[in-house]
Amino acid sequence: ILNVEQSPQSLHVQEGDSTNFTCSFPSSNFYALHWYRWETAKSPEALFVMTLNGDEKKKGRISATLNTKEGYSYLYIKGSQPEDSATYLCARNYGQNFVFGPGTRLSVLP
Amino acid sequence: GAVVSQHPSRVICKSGTSVKIECRSLDFQATTMFWYRQFPKQSLMLMATSNEGSKATYEQGVEKDKFLINHASLTLSTLTVTSAHPEDSSFYICSASPVQRLYYEQYFGPGTRLTVT
Repeated sequence: ILNVEQSPQSLHVQEGDSTNFTCSFPSSNFYALHWYRWETAKSPEALFVMTLNGDEKKKGRISATLNTKEGYSYLYIKGSQPEDSATYLCARNYGQNFVFGPGTRLSVLP
Repeated sequence: GAVVSQHPSRVICKSGTSVKIECRSLDFQATTMFWYRQFPKQSLMLMATSNEGSKATYEQGVEKDKFLINHASLTLSTLTVTSAHPEDSSFYICSASPVQRLYYEQYFGPGTRLTVT
């Protein structure tokens, strides 16, 4: 089953809080997982490509980890800022095609 | 780098007319371009994959005669919604995958909101 799940669906945090959310996916024949940040009225922005079990990648205050054996990836945001408000999408490769999760909508309140 | 444009960003058309949406990779050549559709509160759903100079590959349940895709060059793909009906109202977004990327990275346009009245 080509199903990618994300949780929570949405969350609200206060400025300065750290937060994290989950992407879960079928673990068999894993190739890569992609994280995107999607702000309203803009193009989704590629954040990370996760490929190896145990991978941890970081970009500023955002980091991601990967567990391919159990089929999940976490995205962490440290010290959330209002500009982090966006929908965060993950997508798993099936060959050249992607299957997307429904996204986690993050709102950071000042 | 890796910028993709999409036009128009918003279009309203009457039922029975056709609408063309353009997707361009501005600073790279794209082996493959993808068209997605998003219904409210749902995931991006792949509609079709197109390779330059080839016929598009449509996902199951997507009518190829209704959603015409042309990929005329390594930087341009178009989606034409023919004889549009209100149920075709949706958000359509394209992506492009640069040549020879190991993990088939995709870069997205900003999307097109289609409303059919």
